[in-house]
Amino acid sequence: EIVLTQSPGTLSLSPGERATLSCRANQSVTNGDFAWYQQKAGQSPQLLIHGASRRATGIPDRFSGSGSWRDCTLTISRLEPEDFAVYYCQQYGTSPWTFGQGTKVEMK
Amino acid sequence: QVQLVESGGGLVKPGGSLRLSCETSGFTFSDFYMSWIRQAPGKGPEWVSYISSTSSTISYADSVKGRFTISRDNAKSSVFLQMSSLTAEDTAVYYCARVRGFLDPWGQGTLVTVSS
Repeated sequence: EIVLTQSPGTLSLSPGERATLSCRANQSVTNGDFAWYQQKAGQSPQLLIHGASRRATGIPDRFSGSGSWRDCTLTISRLEPEDFAVYYCQQYGTSPWTFGQGTKVEMK
Repeated sequence: QVQLVESGGGLVKPGGSLRLSCETSGFTFSDFYMSWIRQAPGKGPEWVSYISSTSSTISYADSVKGRFTISRDNAKSSVFLQMSSLTAEDTAVYYCARVRGFLDPWGQGTLVTVSS
């Protein structure tokens, strides 16, 4: 199966700062089919980005994604208070679909 | 609006069985694959199973193959997960999600606790 490794594990930043989250696969992901999800405490994951770079409906443009066959990156250009959460990458190009272990974005 | 509501979770003894349900609304259920994903306490999500729109294609994670069965009822816009031979490692919040390649949206989840 494709293993996704997210880095860093925790990102300590202040509101207004830029966040850069990385996700690396141990093999190529078909079609670059990466997604990013945000999960706030006590809530279910919410889709942010699919196809590595396509923002989901209703997602603010401060969230952006980029990627290739083995790597993808989520960037939050200016952190808002509601953005402090855990972020997961996922690949859905090859079964079994797999998730990274998550990056926690915490307030500094 | 699209809604997914899971139910059926609870406390079950090791070796026991449980059936989860996911009722959906707000979209044409029969047009979409559906999936179950679980998340153990403090861990990341783990994909469990998916089922095609006509139930002709089904896939399971190796960790549940032979123990879990996914099914759907398009007339009731619902998807189900029959779980058997449960172990402590199956303890998790179980989510259903609509499949669009990616998973969107997810339900609120139902907690399954396997403990004696």
